Amino acid sequence: SQQGEEDPQALSIQEGENATMNCSYKTSINNLQWYRQNSGRGLVHLILIRSNEREKHSGRLRVTLDTSKKSSSLLITASRAADTASYFCATDAEVGRTGNQFYFGTGTSLTVIP
Amino acid sequence: KAGVTQTPRYLIKTRGQQVTLSCSPISGHRSVSWYQQTPGQGLQFLFEYFSETQRNKGNFPGRFSGRQFSNSRSEMNVSTLELGDSALYLCASSWTDRPRVYEQYFGPGTRLTVT
Repeated sequence: SQQGEEDPQALSIQEGENATMNCSYKTSINNLQWYRQNSGRGLVHLILIRSNEREKHSGRLRVTLDTSKKSSSLLITASRAADTASYFCATDAEVGRTGNQFYFGTGTSLTVIP
Repeated sequence: KAGVTQTPRYLIKTRGQQVTLSCSPISGHRSVSWYQQTPGQGLQFLFEYFSETQRNKGNFPGRFSGRQFSNSRSEMNVSTLELGDSALYLCASSWTDRPRVYEQYFGPGTRLTVT
């Protein structure tokens, strides 16, 4: 499969703690994005990091990208109960003659306990 | 500005039937992409349209097809439904012809159940 793998599959933390989730992928990418999904609903775009960037911040979110290891991490600081959701990484990669493909990771289910 | 809308939100069909799902992008957006989400396979890319042209296609059988109209609204069709087609179908729109390079906005999805 060309999908990314996310680790851990599930994470449960107390409100106020930091949450870190990791994404590994297989092919060279143009960019990597993180999305949030609440309970089987639509996805919400969180942040995009390009292949030539190593770190990006957006509010309480910090994303790192290591293209040599084909991995990325998402850090959510000072977590809140409202952060409870599933988080997915997605990679935009060129795949041979089929052109660009967009692959989602398997997702991390985050539960923030009030 | 209204978000991406998908209709219907829930659908129950029988094996062998066909189904058409609709997606209306955010006003001004010309790119529409479709994704299938199942517990077993996760989120998978189906296809992407820009200005009525299919730009990219995922690895799905020919039973899955789509189209985009001049007003950027898009439909996807699944013929000869199988039990494994039960999934949440998500549509996303973007203003750019490179929707995976920039931000996509997702609709709430259509939950299809095949019995």
